[in-house]
Amino acid sequence: KNQVEQSPQSLIILEGKNCTLQCNYTVSPFSNLRWYKQDTGRGPVSLTIMTFSENTKSNGRYTATLDADTKQSSLHITASQLSDSASYICVVSGRSTLGRLYFGRGTQLTVWP
Amino acid sequence: EAGVTQSPTHLIKTRGQQATLRCSPISGHTSVYWYQQALGLGLQFLLWYDEGEERNRGNFPPRFSGRQFPNYSSELNVNALELEDSALYLCASSFGAATYEQYFGPGTRLTVT
Repeated sequence: KNQVEQSPQSLIILEGKNCTLQCNYTVSPFSNLRWYKQDTGRGPVSLTIMTFSENTKSNGRYTATLDADTKQSSLHITASQLSDSASYICVVSGRSTLGRLYFGRGTQLTVWP
Repeated sequence: EAGVTQSPTHLIKTRGQQATLRCSPISGHTSVYWYQQALGLGLQFLLWYDEGEERNRGNFPPRFSGRQFPNYSSELNVNALELEDSALYLCASSFGAATYEQYFGPGTRLTVT
């Protein structure tokens, strides 16, 4: 069964600190993995997308890593800001399920001043 | 360039009624995807339309249906509404069926009472 699991479920950090979110998946055969940021009540916005041949990708203060062998990914946020408070969702696409994405439940990040 | 738009923003219905949700993709995008996000759960894939045809369907009952119009906009219809249908319904669009990137709209919040 194709699944995407994220941890932790929620996280609270102080402004300026770094944090790392985890994603494990079982989707196979794998096509690509994306990280989305979703503000409350809004649609998700793409942060990064990686294929199996990429093991790291950065977007400003966001850096995603991918280990396709262990089927794990992480999203590292550097020097957090209050505006980083949101749900971060790991999304995996499979090569045999064209057009269909598999979503994790997200990690709810709260940044305190 | 306008993003994906959805209407209405909020919709309140009673059990047994029908709901119609609408989505306009980004100009030039031919694929439209529908997702359900119930409170506390991850996004669940509902339907994928491309070039007016239904290409893939998630694990939802037949009372969830939709269509895509010649201008690539789309409707999601939910018949015989049940309380558990209350959720945020998100629409996404992409340029072609095999592209990686899906762009999400702001969603329609459906409340069934």
